[in-house]
Order: sequence, then structure tokens, then C-alpha cells
Amino acid sequence: DTAVSQTPKYLVTQMGNDKSIKCEQNLGHDTMYWYKQDSKKFLKIMFSYNNKELIINETVPNRFSPKSPDKAHLNLHINSLELGDSAVYFCASSLGQGGNQPQHFGDGTRLSIL
Amino acid sequence: GENVEQHPSTLSVQEGDSAVIKCTYSDSASNYFPWYKQELGKRPQLIIDIRSNVGEKKDQRIAVTLNKTAKHFSLHITETQPEDSAVYFCADNNNDMRFGAGTRLTVKP
Repeated sequence: DTAVSQTPKYLVTQMGNDKSIKCEQNLGHDTMYWYKQDSKKFLKIMFSYNNKELIINETVPNRFSPKSPDKAHLNLHINSLELGDSAVYFCASSLGQGGNQPQHFGDGTRLSIL
Repeated sequence: GENVEQHPSTLSVQEGDSAVIKCTYSDSASNYFPWYKQELGKRPQLIIDIRSNVGEKKDQRIAVTLNKTAKHFSLHITETQPEDSAVYFCADNNNDMRFGAGTRLTVKP
């Protein structure tokens, strides 16, 4: 009964392709996030959603678009993949918003661009 | 918003010794400071957190101290064990959540 589950775990694809990563949480949390972790292990927040509303949209290229069909899901769609997109992408969720509560992370999706 | 500064970037200790990791934040409005542990190939997991209304919190071998005046907080691990080896991240809730750059802790048996 994984709390935050994301699929796929590994994604290997060619430059220029479009891909999606799915995330679901069964914790009843209000806010979901996407993070990018590069090869140097730096965790950078990309997006967060609260009750279907985008709260944060960092300086992320518009090739990245989050989609939330309901508050238990936050999917990440990436268009025209580039070499620099290779990283581990983590989904997370928390109760409430404003970063005042612990975040629960998924196991990550390792994206490799050939 | 400003990132959280975290030091050192790497730390190697002998089993049984203590380890201390320090973080500095910039926004005085920050009021929640969690610490996450990430083992190799795994997800970050919360190990301890502190809110701005207390100065110290302890959970067995792990403690966190907060100095609001100086705007820094520290993670203390006592009696370190090889399984403590991981990357540790501090964070504050400036503009939702900002993470430090991480500290790779190695505990030598």
C-alpha cells in the first residue's frame, strides 16, 4: 500500500520525444509536488498543486506541463525532450499547503534521454 | 526565493562518532524546518523536523537545533552507525519548500 506511487520507475527515450510520468497518492493529502533531482543530487521544486490549482510554477521550461485530474493525481507531461532533462523526477504530497507539513515522496522516475 | 545553504557537502566519520550538518536560511518568515535522509537509489524520507516555536527537538540518536536569531539550524546524529550513511537534506518553507544542496554522510565501520 504505497502512499505515493509514480510510474514508470525508469524511462529511456530519444531526444525530441514526448513522455508522461504519472503520480498518485492515497494519503488524502491536499498538495502534490514535482521535483527534479539532477546528477549532483540537488532537489529542485518544479510544480505544486493544491486542490487542482497551480501554486508554484518555478522557472521551468514550458515543455513541462503538470496535469491534475483530481487531488489524488498529479501527472507530469514533457514535450520535445532534451538531453538536459535527464534526471530523477520525484513526486511528493503533503497535507495542507505552504510547506508547513512533511512531504511524502514517491520512489522516483529515472529519465534518461539518448 | 533564496535557497537554503547547507554545509558541509561531504562528511566522513568513524562509527560511533557524532555528525553535525548545518543549514542557514534567509527568510525570517520561514517557520518549518524538516530534515530528509536519502539512501542511494531511494526516495528522500523525513527523519526529523522542527518548528520555529521551539529551539531543539530530539528523537533517539537524532536531534535538531534551531537558532532563529542567526537563522540557522543543525542536524546532530550521535553514535553514528554504517546505516546512517546517506545524503541528508535540510529544507525550509520559504515559498513552499526549498531544499539545501545535501550532505553526503559516510560512516566508516
